[in-house]
Amino acid sequence: KAGVTQTPRYLIKTRGQQVTLSCSPISGHRSVSWYQQTPGQGLQFLFEYFSETQRNKGNFPGRFSGRQFSNSRSEMNVSTLELGDSALYLCASSSPPGHSYEQYFGPGTRLTVT
Amino acid sequence: SQQGEEDPQALSIQEGENATMNCSYKTSINNLQWYRQNSGRGLVHLILIRSNEREKHSGRLRVTLDTSKKSSSLLITASRAADTASYFCATDKGANSKLTFGKGITLSVRP
Repeated sequence: KAGVTQTPRYLIKTRGQQVTLSCSPISGHRSVSWYQQTPGQGLQFLFEYFSETQRNKGNFPGRFSGRQFSNSRSEMNVSTLELGDSALYLCASSSPPGHSYEQYFGPGTRLTVT
Repeated sequence: SQQGEEDPQALSIQEGENATMNCSYKTSINNLQWYRQNSGRGLVHLILIRSNEREKHSGRLRVTLDTSKKSSSLLITASRAADTASYFCATDKGANSKLTFGKGITLSVRP
């Protein structure tokens, strides 16, 4: 089986712009979670989607949003980018769904905001 | 906020030695997992231990869980240079809860 894929792998944006990141889970996995990783805050949970519904949400401002499609692929969007949004964004999929099970992570998207 | 706190924050050992990393958490949990991350890449799942388990083995890995002390340890035996990575513990409170990671331990294994 192919692993979790994320696109793009690297991205440079300017403050105030918006960005969309994409995640394709492992075939058959219907749960997708997103995390932000920074040197200062570590790994922080953004949100989880299962069957196109957001099941869980972390403590991030409304500028961070996501969605999941019927084929389980997920996107996350960050609007009005700030310098502090520079981070490695990781998505993970699992089956069965939920965080009581092994999470399979993608390689991440490195976002730099200038 | 971080649920898990690993210690030490950094560990440097010689190849062949054992590496022990600890994780403490604050509230009751359902499961505890350990992940490895190589140099800013995605995380790789190592092992999961459920709250009703005390010890688990997988290859050169041994994980213990003490729910009374709210702590876990990860032991890597006979370490190799390829074990050089950051290690994270992560906890959940149930299938529908979020996964909360600690800040991680940087392990360096010198050849």
